[in-house]
Order: sequence, then structure tokens, then C-alpha cells
Amino acid sequence: GNSVTQMEGPVTLSEEAFLTINCTYTATGYPSLFWYVQYPGEGLQLLLKATKADDKGSNKGFEATYRKETTSFHLEKGSVQVSDSAVYFCALSGASGSRLTFGEGTQLTVNP
Amino acid sequence: SAVISQKPSRDICQRGTSLTIQCQVDSQVTMMFWYRQQPGQSLTLIATANQGSEATYESGFVIDKFPISRPNLTFSTLTVSNMSPEDSSIYLCSVRGGGQEFNYGYTFGSGTRLTVV
Repeated sequence: GNSVTQMEGPVTLSEEAFLTINCTYTATGYPSLFWYVQYPGEGLQLLLKATKADDKGSNKGFEATYRKETTSFHLEKGSVQVSDSAVYFCALSGASGSRLTFGEGTQLTVNP
Repeated sequence: SAVISQKPSRDICQRGTSLTIQCQVDSQVTMMFWYRQQPGQSLTLIATANQGSEATYESGFVIDKFPISRPNLTFSTLTVSNMSPEDSSIYLCSVRGGGQEFNYGYTFGSGTRLTVV
């Protein structure tokens, strides 16, 4: 079955530091890949997505590239802000309309 | 993308009682999903709510404990029955748009934070 593995957290960074959160997946066929963010006390928001190999999703300074050869979808941001403090979830969906499979989530704290 | 209204946003309930969570979508969607997020954990799919048929439950979840209704293509409810403190979690509904909305991915409600005492 499908599975998603995220790097263990929590991650603590200083403002303006570079961020990488690793995500690898196992799936049959060609899944779609997503990063969701959950700010404190809120639901999940779609941060970015990629639907085929070599696609790069980007939003709010965050980027992730769909790497089929390494089955990875690592999240990066060049300069984090305090407001980026949240939990980040990597997720995939398989066949059309199928449900999401989530990684464990990574808590990011950015200090001023 | 679709906009979801989920309520209540939070509740504190006595053990042994039941709570019904509502999820209203601003457009017609084929599939609606209900997730549970236990404290500090990731999201676990409870069931997929299909309009006009029984919900499809994931392993470890049963209809008697989590009955689901899906009366039309814009609305669903999840009931948490005979609650115990172990049911304290955030419950979220989710949809994936169809047609041109399909590639927007999945949209989530803001969640219901349930505490059972």
C-alpha cells in the first residue's frame, strides 16, 4: 500500500535560516504529492502540490520537486520567518479520487 | 477550490454521550472524507462518505462507533458515539473537487476539537 515517511521532528530554526523537511514515499503508479500546513489551533491548508514527475510546486517561498527516481518530495524554503512556525504534513494520493495518505508531520518552530 | 464549513469548532463532552459534527461544502462533490487527528499525531482516515450509499470505513473504525450520513452532494455528518476520553481528538472533513477543481487537491474543514471528560 501507499505510505509517506517524513523526517523526524521537531525542527527549530532561527529566522532567515534555510529549511529542508525531507519526505519520501512508497506508492504504485504515479501518485500526486502534497504538502499541507497546520498552524496552531487551525485546520489543514494546502501549501503546494505536484502531480507528475519533475513538477515543482511552490507557494509562499516554499518549494518541493517531485523526484520519481528517489521517490522524494522534500520541502524547502530559503529564509524562514517566525510566522512559518507550524506543523507540516507531506501527503500523497493514488488513483483518481482516492484518499490522502499522510506522513507523520513535522513541527517547525522559528525563533526571532 | 471548495470552501468547507465545519461545526462545531470545538466541544467538551461527557463520557458516554454522542456528538454529531457537520460538514457543509459550497459546491457539489462526489467524495467526502472524515479524518481523526489524535493529540500530537498525524491524520488517520476514518471513512469515505458516499452520497446515496453506505460510508466506507477504514480498518479499526466501525459504523456503530462513527455513524456517517451523506444526504446530498454538499453535506455530511459524522457522529462520535458513546464517547470515552480516548476519543478526544480533532476531527476533520475533507473533499476533493471534481472537473476543473480536481487538480486543486483536497480541501479541509477547520476541524472540530473534541475533548471528552
